[in-house]
Amino acid sequence: KQEVTQIPAALSVPEGENLVLNCSFTDSAIYNLQWFRQDPGKGLTSLLLIQSSQREQTSGRLNASLDKSSGRSTLYIAASQPGDSATYLCAVSSNDYKLSFGAGTTVTVRA
Amino acid sequence: GAGVSQSPRYKVAKRGQDVALRCDPISGHVSLFWYQQALGQGPEFLTYFQNEAQLDKSGLPSDRFFAERPEGSVSTLKIQRTQQEDSAVYLCASSRNLMVELFFGEGSRLTVL
Repeated sequence: KQEVTQIPAALSVPEGENLVLNCSFTDSAIYNLQWFRQDPGKGLTSLLLIQSSQREQTSGRLNASLDKSSGRSTLYIAASQPGDSATYLCAVSSNDYKLSFGAGTTVTVRA
Repeated sequence: GAGVSQSPRYKVAKRGQDVALRCDPISGHVSLFWYQQALGQGPEFLTYFQNEAQLDKSGLPSDRFFAERPEGSVSTLKIQRTQQEDSAVYLCASSRNLMVELFFGEGSRLTVL
């Protein structure tokens, strides 16, 4: 069974600092990896989707890397803002539809 | 609306009651998923539909859980004889096809007393 771990569980940084969020998974035979954002009491918003053949994806201030062989992904958020405060979830697909999620990293950006 | 819509947003049930949770996916989305999210945890897969066909229900915790999507659009997750351990947020998600971006609803928070 695919196990997904996110470290740290929580992170607090001052505004303007770069964020580095880590995700590791046990089974490297994946179809894709996704990063989601979840605000309190809300659903999940997809941030980045990396196919298994890709090494990274970028969207604005967000960049996610994927190293399948080592079972790791890293989400970088540049120049953090208070509006980036949320829980960030990593999810791995080991077939073409089922996602296995980590427990998330809760980020607080202090103004 | 443009997004995935779920109702009710909040449901309080007494232990033993039956509940039904509804999901309206984005129009035209073929794939529909149900996930269960316990407090402080990531979502756990429950079941998957491709149009009206339920192709995977391996994540349903017990035979008290039942999901349907009879016309390939709206889906209902039914929980019979609710137990306290069923308390969680139930998330519905849809996608245009497989291996593309997944769109989640805001969830239905179920509390069983």
